[in-house]
Amino acid sequence: EAEVAQSPRYKITEKSQAVAFWCDPISGHATLYWYRQILGQGPELLVQFQDESVVDDSQLPKDRFSAERLKGVDSTLKIQPAELGDSAMYLCASSQVKGAGGANVLTFGAGSRLTVL
Amino acid sequence: KQEVTQIPAALSVPEGENLVLNCSFTDSAIYNLQWFRQDPGKGLTSLLLIQSSQREQTSGRLNASLDKSSGRSTLYIAASQPGDSATYLCAAGVGIQGAQKLVFGQGTRLTINP
Repeated sequence: EAEVAQSPRYKITEKSQAVAFWCDPISGHATLYWYRQILGQGPELLVQFQDESVVDDSQLPKDRFSAERLKGVDSTLKIQPAELGDSAMYLCASSQVKGAGGANVLTFGAGSRLTVL
Repeated sequence: KQEVTQIPAALSVPEGENLVLNCSFTDSAIYNLQWFRQDPGKGLTSLLLIQSSQREQTSGRLNASLDKSSGRSTLYIAASQPGDSATYLCAAGVGIQGAQKLVFGQGTRLTINP
């Protein structure tokens, strides 16, 4: 069964350091999502790509977060500098659906858990 | 702005009971309503997707319903088992700039006691 790959699974860093997360979606999936999930809360969308273009990054803290999906395949989410409040699970998901309609079934990766000390 | 709420935040029931999880959303202009399961420290697994034109979907012991007019969805789990223990999240599919994104509730943490 096809999976969304994420790395690293766990990352511990000190505040003010730089952190990067990588995601490889299911082959052929046009849309890629990065969500942040703080412990005990639901996931919050940070950025959504359709192919290599950003569709929505309205909740991405752009002063410290950046995301790219070069060539419309895998994606990297970077945080620099990390702050204590960035401690969370970072989830990547992908879907086949392009556009607004359709049964947009997302497949999630296992996540990258970040702890900022 | 779409807001999704799940009540209760946590639920504990004995094995074998039937149970209902609730989800409400503020804006009825949705493409679909989805239910996910999340085990501790893991990613999300899609359980059911109800299109906006549908009233319910079933998969095994799970049945999800959707009432757009009242902004509500329910997930019914029949004959609960300890393996059903997990956090259950609902999400509303909404339109953004020609695409679709999911807005999640905070989840209901379910514990099935043997």
